[in-house]
Amino acid sequence: GAVVSQHPSWVICKSGTSVKIECRSLDFQATTMFWYRQFPKQSLMLMATSNEGSKATYEQGVEKDKFLINHASLTLSTLTVTSAHPEDSSFYICSASGGTRGGEKLFFGSGTQLSVL
Amino acid sequence: GESVGLHLPTLSVQEGDNSIINCAYSNSASDYFIWYKQESGKGPQFIIDIRSNMDKRQGQRVTVLLNKTVKHLSLQIAATQPGDSAVYFCAEKPRGSTLGRLYFGRGTQLTVWP
Repeated sequence: GAVVSQHPSWVICKSGTSVKIECRSLDFQATTMFWYRQFPKQSLMLMATSNEGSKATYEQGVEKDKFLINHASLTLSTLTVTSAHPEDSSFYICSASGGTRGGEKLFFGSGTQLSVL
Repeated sequence: GESVGLHLPTLSVQEGDNSIINCAYSNSASDYFIWYKQESGKGPQFIIDIRSNMDKRQGQRVTVLLNKTVKHLSLQIAATQPGDSAVYFCAEKPRGSTLGRLYFGRGTQLTVWP
């Protein structure tokens, strides 16, 4: 089946640095990808919709200058957490939709655990 | 039995018993619902889905029930196994929005005892 690959699976960084997370669709083209954040023992929260070749659409309350999203190709979306702080520590998960019209399915990556010191 | 903690409700069952996990969704305009299983440190794994024009759908060992009147979704797992231990989330998709713009429920931690 279709696979979404996320990299890195975990990252530790110092406060104030920026971290980039990659989300790739491995065997299908994804015009749309999605980024979620999940705090420990909580649910997934949709952050933004990443659109290939255009600007991302952010959910209410998500800072677009803090979480930069780039979707430069049909198989890659990146999320950059800029000037990360400890409160940004979280599990970040991407998803991508692919398939034929009417048979579209959604696939999730394996997540990236970000720890900001 | 079931208990509700600070963030995540929990359900403990014995191996072989049936499990029922409940979810209340928020948007009466949602037209598509999915149940996901999430193991620790991993992304969500699709279990079963249902469209709003249905009230029941069955898969292998799993059944999803949808009650639109009270905005309630349930997941029934038959003959629960230790490998079923995980957090289960329901997710809803608002009508008219693209697949992938999902809003997740709070989740239930299922623990299966041998």
